[in-house]
Amino acid sequence: EAQVTQNPRYLITVTGKKLTVTCSQNMNHEYMSWYRQDPGLGLRQIYYSMNVEVTDKGDVPEGYKVSRKEKRNFPLILESPSPNQTSLYFCASSLHRGGQETQYFGPGTRLLVL
Amino acid sequence: EDQVTQSPEALRLQEGESSSLNCSYTVSGLRGLFWYRQDPGKGPEFLFTLYSAGEEKEKERLKATLTKKESFLHITAPKPEDSATYLCAVQFNTGFQKLVFGTGTRLLVSP
Repeated sequence: EAQVTQNPRYLITVTGKKLTVTCSQNMNHEYMSWYRQDPGLGLRQIYYSMNVEVTDKGDVPEGYKVSRKEKRNFPLILESPSPNQTSLYFCASSLHRGGQETQYFGPGTRLLVL
Repeated sequence: EDQVTQSPEALRLQEGESSSLNCSYTVSGLRGLFWYRQDPGKGPEFLFTLYSAGEEKEKERLKATLTKKESFLHITAPKPEDSATYLCAVQFNTGFQKLVFGTGTRLLVSP
């Protein structure tokens, strides 16, 4: 089944404790992105990647890191989480074919930073 | 500043009562406009991508249209299972993969 998977789905942590949220897609897509979703603010892009070893900042990259060492994986790293990073996080991958783009989202990771 | 605004914030319809959702944008160079459906606790589900003014796409009871300043998602004879939050997002000409999302329209269809 074609899908984007994220782990963990739920995470409670404390301020300053480094964490990684994994994202994996099995569709051989080149493009992947991370978003956070907050009430009243909608989805905001954190980072995106156009291919292996090619990443760029979205609108809200502060406090986050990403890496793209393999095509299928795009982990999101919070080196020193803070309470304002409490949010719902989505990973997505994109298919570009025939001038059309289709984006697939993962199920989300709900993060609480105490 | 590039902005995406969706209206209304919430919409309640009776089953079979057709309506439209609006997504207006102010961007310096539109590359594409995306529509998604999001159910509570789940990730957005892709519906359509539109690239040029005048373009239309349909899927079951949904039809998306695009002008130079806005997009409409028309829902014809909705059913309760169409209840969800509908999101639109705009992709710029500069920044190939940068997307700006609106805050969504919460649609509730009552039987």
